[in-house]
Amino acid sequence: GESVGLHLPTLSVQEGDNSIINCAYSNSASDYFIWYKQESGKGPQFIIDIRSNMDKRQGQRVTVLLNKTVKHLSLQIAATQPGDSAVYFCAENMGSGYSTLTFGKGTMLLVSP
Amino acid sequence: DAGVIQSPRHEVTEMGQEVTLRCKPISGHNSLFWYRQTMMRGLELLIYFNNNVPIDDSGMPEDRFSAKMPNASFSTLKIQPSEPRDSAVYFCASSPGQEQEAFFGQGTRLTVV
Repeated sequence: GESVGLHLPTLSVQEGDNSIINCAYSNSASDYFIWYKQESGKGPQFIIDIRSNMDKRQGQRVTVLLNKTVKHLSLQIAATQPGDSAVYFCAENMGSGYSTLTFGKGTMLLVSP
Repeated sequence: DAGVIQSPRHEVTEMGQEVTLRCKPISGHNSLFWYRQTMMRGLELLIYFNNNVPIDDSGMPEDRFSAKMPNASFSTLKIQPSEPRDSAVYFCASSPGQEQEAFFGQGTRLTVV
């Protein structure tokens, strides 16, 4: 797949650790946010979303936290597994009337067995 | 549903040639997006269709790029003439509507030599 990791922030963790991936978004009017996972050679896949009227949302092994005051989004992965190794992107829907998503630059997560 | 289907998966072409990328969105989705992914610029939105109508094409790099959506089940992205700097992975995505996740295809890796 494409070597996107060469220019990306990288987080390296051990299997079983908890991982936290951070994202600063750009528009204070954004009201919908998504975390995507992209494995090598594949398209981005939806992980979890959150709307601006919430500050936390939990899924299976994943939690998204939203801090609108500082325009910050984080993805927490519990008990990280080697299969979680991928590039993770946050995306924002920039307010009412917009259907498009604007993506961040991504963070590469490397999980060692 | 098989998801968003893109073709071809890989395309290698010579500079100056015309390239056509194809996309079949998920049935029932009324929004379609074309994104380009490179190491340097990440995921960039090129154009967005809603109900087969182009809504926002501000991301299209220049007149060499054009996109069409003749019906709800098919879209094309054309580059004519192609240049080496167009080399990237091109993704098509579709969404059921506003403030909902976008589902991505597997992408077309374009190499212009």
